[in-house]
Amino acid sequence: DGGITQSPKYLFRKEGQNVTLSCEQNLNHDAMYWYRQDPGQGLRLIYYSQIVNDFQKGDIAEGYSVSREKKESFPLTVTSAQKNPTAFYLCASSRGLGIDEQFFGPGTRLTVL
Amino acid sequence: GQQVMQIPQYQHVQEGEDFTTYCNSSTTLSNIQWYKQRPGGHPVFLIQLVKSGEVKKQKRLTFQFGEAKKNSSLHITATQTTDVGTYFCARDGSGGSNYKLTFGKGTLLTVNP
Repeated sequence: DGGITQSPKYLFRKEGQNVTLSCEQNLNHDAMYWYRQDPGQGLRLIYYSQIVNDFQKGDIAEGYSVSREKKESFPLTVTSAQKNPTAFYLCASSRGLGIDEQFFGPGTRLTVL
Repeated sequence: GQQVMQIPQYQHVQEGEDFTTYCNSSTTLSNIQWYKQRPGGHPVFLIQLVKSGEVKKQKRLTFQFGEAKKNSSLHITATQTTDVGTYFCARDGSGGSNYKLTFGKGTLLTVNP
């Protein structure tokens, strides 16, 4: 069954701790993305990767880091430098050839206490 | 970055009424995508429009791309409770990147049965 998985669905962390959100896809897609969604807001792009071992900052990259060591995986680390980390985080992928539809994972709701 | 404005932000209708959401850009779009996000869910791709003046239909949903390629609309005929959710438009990326999408803030549709 092809798709994108994100785990966990809910995550709680104490302020000042780094936390890594996982994202795995078995769609053989080249491009992967991380978005942040706050209540009543659209999706804001954090980081994206067009190919393995390469990634670019999106519109709100400060306080976040990513890696793309494997085509299937694009983990996102929310660092203690992110001032308002509590949010719904969505990972997505696309074939990466021009503008293509994006497939989203189920999301991780992060709450920092 | 280049944005898209969506109106209205919220729309509440009685089941059976029609619904329209609009997506507007100050610059010409190469294409526009539409996504639906059910409450508590993740965005799901609905359609992509590419050609000036294009009209596409999916059952009760009609998507239009303006002649000047600066605006788009999604119209739902005879809404049902299953139509509840937030509808996002997304424009192609700026700065020469073909992999980025910029999402509007969405229109939240609620349907009273």
